[in-house]
Amino acid sequence: DAGVIQSPRHEVTEMGQEVTLRCKPISGHDYLFWYRQTMMRGLELLIYFNNNVPIDDSGMPEDRFSAKMPNASFSTLKIQPSEPRDSAVYFCASSLGPPGGTGELFFGEGSRLTVL
Amino acid sequence: QQQVKQSPQSLIVQKGGIPIINCAYENTAFDYFPWYQQFPGKGPALLIAIRPDVSEKKEGRFTISFNKSAKQFSLHIMDSQPGDSATYFCAARGSYKLIFGSGTRLLVRP
Repeated sequence: DAGVIQSPRHEVTEMGQEVTLRCKPISGHDYLFWYRQTMMRGLELLIYFNNNVPIDDSGMPEDRFSAKMPNASFSTLKIQPSEPRDSAVYFCASSLGPPGGTGELFFGEGSRLTVL
Repeated sequence: QQQVKQSPQSLIVQKGGIPIINCAYENTAFDYFPWYQQFPGKGPALLIAIRPDVSEKKEGRFTISFNKSAKQFSLHIMDSQPGDSATYFCAARGSYKLIFGSGTRLLVRP
């Protein structure tokens, strides 16, 4: 079975450019989460969706960040304009049911973003 | 109140040793406490989890100890092996989302 698929795996861009990260959750999963991992702050939850609807975006750092889930098999996280402090590994994760309830949370392999 | 505090930041043990990683939380509404293991270049993967009505859970060489009154829980790795070298995250669930600790980088020397 394919797991959570993220693309690109690595992205290097210049400050001010738009960055789009993509995620395909595990088929049938109804919860999708975006996390950001840095050395300083560890794993931070940015936003999560249930049945394609954003439920909690309180972790999104600022208006430069936006996330969408147009259908059950695709989500994007966009940063516009990007800044060097956005450099991090961005993880997408999905679960069938809320994690720890009926579902286990499965992570993708991450997208490593470097903003110069 | 939404934080999960994890310590130590890094840990080095000899093969066969028993590394212990500790986590503490404040929010008594948290109802599920998993541990995740992450290898370099990979996403975190669920290792073991516990609910607050249980004080201990073992799966193979991995044990979670849970102290509800102290709002603390810990991961013990028995007979640690070099292959256990990874970053370990504790987490707690509240409002259908997992809040993660800052992570512990474990190195098990041969």
